[in-house]
Formats: sequence, C-alpha cells, structure tokens
Amino acid sequence: DIQMTQSPSSLSASVGDRVTITCRASQSITGYLSWYQKKPGKAPKVLIYAASTLRGGVPSRFSGSGSGTDFTLTIGSLQPEDFATYYCQQTYNTPVTFGGGTKVEIK
Amino acid sequence: QVQLVQSGAEVRKPGSSVKVSCRASGDTFSRYAINWVRQAPGQGLEWMGEIIPIFGTPKYAQHFQGRVSITADSSTTTAYMELSSLRSEDTAMYYCRSCSSTTCYDGSDIWGQGTLVTVSS
Repeated sequence: DIQMTQSPSSLSASVGDRVTITCRASQSITGYLSWYQKKPGKAPKVLIYAASTLRGGVPSRFSGSGSGTDFTLTIGSLQPEDFATYYCQQTYNTPVTFGGGTKVEIK
Repeated sequence: QVQLVQSGAEVRKPGSSVKVSCRASGDTFSRYAINWVRQAPGQGLEWMGEIIPIFGTPKYAQHFQGRVSITADSSTTTAYMELSSLRSEDTAMYYCRSCSSTTCYDGSDIWGQGTLVTVSS
C-alpha cells in the first residue's frame, strides 16, 4: 500500500495568513492526488484533484502543486470558514490511502 | 447530480455485525464506484473498500479483509457495507462516496451524510 505522510499535523494561523500543507507519498503517484477539507459533523469535501485542479465552486485562494512524491496545498489568504482539518489522498491505485491530516486552528 | 442518503445511526455490541445502507438517486448508479470511508473519533479518514455495481466485484482494504462485505443492488440503487466481529475500535462515522472513476481521481466525489456506528457493551 502507498503511505501518505502529511506535515504538519496541526498549525495555528490567523485570518489573512498564507498557509502551506505538504503531503509526501511513499512512491511516485505522478499527479494522482486529491485534497479534502473536513469539518466536524460534515462529510469531507474535495477541494483539489489531479494535484492542482480546483474542483468547481472551490474558492481560488486554494491551490495545489506537486508531482511524483511531493505535493503542497496552499491557502492564499486564510478565511474564518477555512479552519478545518485537511487530508491528502492518493488516487493512483487501490487501496486509496489518506494522509494523517493537518488541523488548521485559529491563532 | 447523484445524491447519497445513508441509513441511520446504529448501536451494536462487541462481536456482532452492522449493515449500513447508502441509497443513490440518479441513473448512473451502476457505472459509478461506491466507496466506503470511515473516521473514528479523533482519528483520520480510512478507506474500507469500493464496488462498481456494473462489475459487481468489490475491493477491500487489507485491514478489513474477512470482516467487511460491500454489496450493491442496482434495482434499488442502494449500496451496503456490512462489518462483522465488531469491536470498540470500530466505533466511527461511516461514509459512502460515489465517484465516476475508480479511486475518485477525477474529483467527482459525492458523499453521503455519514452513519454513526457505536460499538459498546
């Protein structure tokens, strides 16, 4: 199985900050990576797929980059509604695997 | 647009089984991949398995092999996930998700609202 490692596991930031989360795969997954936002009591929401493609309706302050084994999710200017936990997921093969999550908290 | 509606919360005793349903609206049910993902309290997301109804053969995560069964009924556009030999660590929110591609690589995810399964004696 492909292991996905996210860092950091949590971070504190202020509204307006630029936030970067990284995700590393245990082997090359080319560009088969998605990013999810998870809020308590809600189902996960896909933000980005194919490493850098923004899903329709997702604000443009979210962006993704990377290929091979190293990927990044960037939130350009953190908004109050962005405080949540973020997960990467490799979509290269089954079993699909998720990173451990990054909790973004209010500073 | 596919919508997924899951069955209600369940409470089970250790050693028993639970079967969660996921009913899909729309006419693409048979061709889409239905995944099951769970999240235990304070933990991350964990993929359990998937089925594409038109093909019928499910795939399971090794961690759940022998304990999970994923099935689909195209006549009622409903998918099911049954987990047996329940233990307290299986207490979690269980989600179904539908994707137009296996592994959901195209970002086409639609998620159910989640079903809370509590395992307690």
